[in-house]
Amino acid sequence: ELKVEQNPLFLSMQEGKNYTIYCNYSTTSDRLYWYRQDPGKSLESLFVLLSNGAVKQEGRLMASLDTKARLSTLHITAAVHDLSATYFCAVDQAGNMLTFGGGTRLMVKP
Amino acid sequence: KAGVTQTPRYLIKTRGQQVTLSCSPISGHRSVSWYQQTPGQGLQFLFEYFSETQRNKGNFPGRFSGRQFSNSRSEMNVSTLELGDSALYLCASRVSQVTGYTFGSGTRLTVV
Repeated sequence: ELKVEQNPLFLSMQEGKNYTIYCNYSTTSDRLYWYRQDPGKSLESLFVLLSNGAVKQEGRLMASLDTKARLSTLHITAAVHDLSATYFCAVDQAGNMLTFGGGTRLMVKP
Repeated sequence: KAGVTQTPRYLIKTRGQQVTLSCSPISGHRSVSWYQQTPGQGLQFLFEYFSETQRNKGNFPGRFSGRQFSNSRSEMNVSTLELGDSALYLCASRVSQVTGYTFGSGTRLTVV
């Protein structure tokens, strides 16, 4: 059974600082997704990572995938308050179902 | 471009009742998936449909069922509601395996 673990579960950081969220998964997969969820809202797609070594960047966020290590990272550069949200990674198993990590609740303080 | 539309947005039902939730995917998206989100269990996969066929089902009891119509719209049904079924139910669609899933706004179901 595929397990997806994120850490940390909660992250409080100051504006302007850098930090990384980690997503480990237990079985082979080369499709991994990152989503953002604001309180009371749905999931917003951030990144789609489809191969080993994939790296994608959007603004202050950068995601990477290492399929050999079964690890994806979401790096936050110079955090701003608007990035406060919960971030989920999800692994595509069997090509048509997502297994989600537990989420990382990010709070960026001024 | 219209997104994934879920109706209704909010529902309050009584234990033992049944409920039907609806999802209209983005035009051209033939794959529709359903997920349940609760504070305790997080986001869990319910089922996925493609061209009216259920291709995968998560670990949920038979009270949870779904279907997809020829226009790709999908419904999920929960019978004999239990308090633990209170959750945010999210529908997602995508056009192919190499694209991301787009999620709808969800239906928040409260069972009292």
